[in-house]
Parts: sequence; structure tokens; C-alpha cells
Amino acid sequence: NAGVTQTPKFQVLKTGQSMTLQCAQDMNHEYMSWYRQDPGMGLRLIHYSVGAGITDQGEVPNGYNVSRSTTEDFPLRLLSAAPSQTSVYFCASSYSPQSGSYEQYFGPGTRLTVT
Amino acid sequence: DAKTTQPNSMESNEEEPVHLPCNHSTISGTDYIHWYRQLPSQGPEYVIHGLTSNVNNRMASLAIAEDRKSSTLILHRATLRDAAVYYCILSRGGSQGNLIFGKGTKLSVKP
Repeated sequence: NAGVTQTPKFQVLKTGQSMTLQCAQDMNHEYMSWYRQDPGMGLRLIHYSVGAGITDQGEVPNGYNVSRSTTEDFPLRLLSAAPSQTSVYFCASSYSPQSGSYEQYFGPGTRLTVT
Repeated sequence: DAKTTQPNSMESNEEEPVHLPCNHSTISGTDYIHWYRQLPSQGPEYVIHGLTSNVNNRMASLAIAEDRKSSTLILHRATLRDAAVYYCILSRGGSQGNLIFGKGTKLSVKP
């Protein structure tokens, strides 16, 4: 298994540009999520999905869109990039975590800089 | 979501045991205690989790206080590769899997 993969690894955008960060997992996990990590900080949840066709907002959703058309993929779209979105973005997945007992698998991250 | 409190940083010597503390005085009965770690320039990595009883796996042990208001992650023999930020996180059953990360404890390991 490749686990959780993210592309690209690095990206530089100009203010106002849009782009999509890709996330895929091959473990047939129902739950997927996106986090951002700013320098010296912990991770903050942006959006999450508990299954294909179902998404919901996390702690910091403004400026980002998600959709989940397949179990494997969970892309994150930046609608109009702003310097405040400069961060490292992590995607994660797990089996359905409804019991609270689960292990989340994280991707290697995408480092985004907005100038 | 219930909050956890961890020291900002800790130091250890290589090949010695490390005890990383976490306080979670507002934990509820259905909250699991999770530990993740993040090595430099990498995504977080699952370490261990538990509910009430102490847990062991190949990476570490988790000791949970009887009243569940605190827990300790134990690395039995620290290696240089264990230098990372360690996060103690509570997850609630039915919370749809959302992990709330704090700033964690930065562990340094000296040779």
C-alpha cells in the first residue's frame, strides 16, 4: 500500500490564484481530513469527510472548498489564494472513527507559499 | 472538546527511558487518549491510544491514571530518531474522528 499520498510537495502561488491540493489513499478508509500547520503551531482542521459524498467544516474552513466523489480521493481547493494561507497542508485518513478508537494515517504534506 | 496540557519541551539521553506527561482534567468517560508524534518536516505519525487500561505496542507504552485525568507516554529506550514533537490528543466517540492538536512537547534526545 502507498498509504496517503499528497501532490504537489511544494507550490508557490500568487495572491488571487486558485489551485487544488490532491490527496489520495489506497486503504479503503471512510474518513479523510485536511489540516494546516503554521510555523511553530499544532495542526488545525480545515475540512473533513466521513464518506463519499459527505463533507463538513472543521475549525478553519474559510477560503477552502472540498468534495468527496470517491472513497480514495479528497482534494482541497483554494479559491483565491491569500498570503495568510501560506502553510503546510496535511491530509489524513482512517477507518470510521465513530468509536473514538482509531489510528489516523497522515500524508507527507504540501508546503504552500502565497506571495 | 476536552483540552490537554503538556510541557513545551523535554530532554532525554539516548538509550534512557522517557516519560512524557499529559494532563486532561476535563476528560469525559467516552474520550480516548491518543498520542501522535511529528518528526521534523514530516506528517504526524500515530504512536498509541487507550481508554482506561494501560497499553503497550512496539513503539511505546501508555500509562493512564486511575481517575483518567492524566496519562504518560513512555518510550522505553530513547533513540536519536525519537526526537520529535509529541502530541497528546483526546478523541470522543462519535466525534467523527476530528483530532484537536495542541502545541505538543518537543522532545530532544542527546547522544
